[in-house]
This record gives sequence, structure tokens and C-alpha cells, in this order.
Amino acid sequence: DSGVTQTPKHLITATGQRVTLRCSPRSGDLSVYWYQQSLDQGLQFLIQYYNGEERAKGNILERFSAQQFPDLHSELNLSSLELGDSALYFCASSVDLGITAVDTQYFGPGTRLTVL
Amino acid sequence: AQTVTQSQPEMSVQEAETVTLSCTYDTSESDYYLFWYKQPPSRQMILVIRQEAYKQQNATENRFSVNFQKAAKSFSLKISDSQLGDAAMYFCAYVLNTGFQKLVFGTGTRLLVSP
Repeated sequence: DSGVTQTPKHLITATGQRVTLRCSPRSGDLSVYWYQQSLDQGLQFLIQYYNGEERAKGNILERFSAQQFPDLHSELNLSSLELGDSALYFCASSVDLGITAVDTQYFGPGTRLTVL
Repeated sequence: AQTVTQSQPEMSVQEAETVTLSCTYDTSESDYYLFWYKQPPSRQMILVIRQEAYKQQNATENRFSVNFQKAAKSFSLKISDSQLGDAAMYFCAYVLNTGFQKLVFGTGTRLLVSP
């Protein structure tokens, strides 16, 4: 158990719908990262938040957005869902000691999203 | 482009034997960190080992060790005394030390372990 929690574990929805994935980082971790794992794209970085602020963006679609709240949990919002959005979405967290060091990212169990 | 290549889609090993998984990466930066993550059938991503690029000494974690060749941009994972529980997908990844800590992953190697 990494200490990172994600809910829900599974989500089945229809095209055009909107869903919210939730992540609680490890105690003390300030950074949260979102990754998408799909069969055709592999593991792709989506976005990073640090202490409530967006720090880095990757291959995140405009239909997707995220935020990190004062209690440091994060939510990933996916809207106007398409079949191709079906994937495993991981949240990871790290303590983030500062810009001069790289911290290990610990992953949650993932949310499996199926768009029908 | 920054990429990670795992040229072995699948590897097989017998219990108690040793296996080496290959990984090469491409970056023009000199300050970065390398990782191996394991993804068992449960789909959880589990850290196996971490290597700082500035360290010449290869990292080890119990039965897991790496062979880090910075000039060749190679980062292979050696698993000794393989166990049935080692069966999983193994992903090689790196992070640049730029303050934007996104992991760049390879496509993974599936490790099969037979009794």
C-alpha cells in the first residue's frame, strides 16, 4: 500500500458524459501528479499540482481539467467523454523537497474508466 | 524528443534464476533520475528501484540491481533469484531535475516467471 488513495476504483459511463476522479496523496506530500495509461498511448503524464497550484502540464486534453484543494487532495475532471478516453488513470504523489531535487513518486491504485 | 525504449516486450525466467531487463533513454540533459516500476496484475504501480544520474554507483534493492551506463544512456534491471511474485510488467522511466517532475515511461516489458 503506497498511501495514495483513489476513488472510485471503477467507473463506467457513456460518451458525452462528465466524470470526476478523486485522489488523496500520502500524508505530508505536497505534489500530486495525474497519469493516463491506455493500450495505444502507454503511460502518459497529464498534469502536476504542487501545494494547490498547477506546476506542469503534459498531454492533457482541453476537455480534461484538474485541481488541488487546500487539504491537498486532487480531482481530475473529464468531460465530453469519448470512447478513446477509456483508460486507467493514476494519481501519484511526492513530498517535493524543492526544485533542486527529484522525489520519488508513489502511485495510487488507479481508477479504471470505461466509456461506452 | 525525450524517449525511453524498452526493446523486450516480453521476457521469461525460471524461479531462482536471474534475468535482466533492458532500457535505453534519450535526453540531452545531464541531471536526471531513473526509475523502474513494477505493475503486477493488480495494476498497482510499485517502485522497484531508483538511480540518481550523478551517482556512479549502481543502485541495489535486495534482489534488484541496476546497471547504469550514463554515456550509453542505458539503465538495465537485474532480478536475481527470481520468484513467482516477480511476474509483472516492468516500466523504466526517468525524470529531469528541472522542477517539473514528470515521469517519462517506456512501453514496458512483461516478465513471466515459471516454476
